[in-house]
Amino acid sequence: GGIITQTPKFLIGQEGQKLTLKCQQNFNHDTMYWYRQDSGKGLRLIYYSITENDLQKGDLSEGYDASREKKSSFSLTVTSAQKNEMAVFLCASSPDRFSNERLFFGHGTKLSVL
Amino acid sequence: GDSVTQKEGLVTLTEGLPVMLNCTYQTIYSNAFLFWYVHYLNESPRLLLKSSTDNKRTEHQGFHATLHKSSSSFHLQKSSAQLSDSALYYCALSDPGGSNAKLTFGKGTKLSVKS
Repeated sequence: GGIITQTPKFLIGQEGQKLTLKCQQNFNHDTMYWYRQDSGKGLRLIYYSITENDLQKGDLSEGYDASREKKSSFSLTVTSAQKNEMAVFLCASSPDRFSNERLFFGHGTKLSVL
Repeated sequence: GDSVTQKEGLVTLTEGLPVMLNCTYQTIYSNAFLFWYVHYLNESPRLLLKSSTDNKRTEHQGFHATLHKSSSSFHLQKSSAQLSDSALYYCALSDPGGSNAKLTFGKGTKLSVKS
């Protein structure tokens, strides 16, 4: 088995602040993803990466940057936090680089912006 | 593009009653995969069911779903709800047509089971 570890679990930021979320996986999976979870809006893809140093934009990439410097890690940066923003960011990975039949998720990072 | 519709945002049931969570989808691909993911509070979302075969019932952990391509539906059912079934359920669609398929999620249905 493997695990996906997201840090931090909770993140409180100030409006306009740059915030970084980290994700590590020990499945040795090729593909990793960042999703944003909002109540009533489902899971929306922000960025994904099919291999080390690859980045692909999802539907919600504006306002975010991502980095995949190692196969095992995938970080997400909120470039300028929006006031009163609240969401959960979920990292995921999948074994197959060409499809995502099954995603393995982390527990999430809950973001609150004051 | 692809889309997944989960009509109910919240379903509240009494323990022991049957569960049915609706999922319909739109895609141009005939070989799409449909999934149900479940997200329990304080846990990570995980795969519950998946299917790409028309009219075949798929079962796991007491839940079942049948993909009906004629009606573009993949409803999740269980004969008798338990308190522990309370969670957020996502229907999702994978289009394997491209070199990098993207998973399209519905908005989610929160199932609340009460005693």
